[in-house]
Amino acid sequence: GQNIDQPTEMTATEGAIVQINCTYQTSGFNGLFWYQQHAGEAPTFLSYNVLDGLEEKGRFSSFLSRSKGYSYLLLKELQMKDSASYLCAVSVPYGGSQGNLIFGKGTKLSVKP
Amino acid sequence: GAGVSQSPSNKVTEKGKDVELRCDPISGHTALYWYRQSLGQGLEFLIYFQGNSAPDKSGLPSDRFSAERTGGSVSTLTIQRTQQEDSAVYLCASSFGIRGSGNTIYFGEGSWLTVV
Repeated sequence: GQNIDQPTEMTATEGAIVQINCTYQTSGFNGLFWYQQHAGEAPTFLSYNVLDGLEEKGRFSSFLSRSKGYSYLLLKELQMKDSASYLCAVSVPYGGSQGNLIFGKGTKLSVKP
Repeated sequence: GAGVSQSPSNKVTEKGKDVELRCDPISGHTALYWYRQSLGQGLEFLIYFQGNSAPDKSGLPSDRFSAERTGGSVSTLTIQRTQQEDSAVYLCASSFGIRGSGNTIYFGEGSWLTVV
């Protein structure tokens, strides 16, 4: 089967750094996505990793280790507007009834002043 | 259009009624997806269209759910005889290329369905 695990909730302080982990066990791998979803809104694309290593994009970075089935999203200089759910999703060749983009349940991040 | 467009944004319907939800994907995107997200839950895959090929309906939860995509562009998701457990946000997404290829999918704002 296909399985994506990420923490349910995290809390961090404004200005700090937070790391959101994601582990996956899937049949095949065509890349890993991170999406941000504010309450009541649609998910928006943050990053895509298909090779091992770190991809940096402004305050956000995403890391992938394919051998470990592991990724993390790193958010620096946290701002209040970063309070949202962060969805980890893995693209697979054949997903069956789960589709080809398997989503985790999301990590709800709360940024406190 | 500039992004994935969905309508209606919000729909309140009585139990037992049929509803239609519309999605207009990003121009040029051949792949179109419907997902469902219940309150506080993850995204649940429903159906996938690729161009004019037969859709992958393997995620549809029951035969009350159906979807069409006309002309390889606009899609309609229909829920017949709605039940309260159908209350959720229905998200449409589109992308270039075939699924599973690693192409980024872009989501619409969703249609928020409440069955009372």
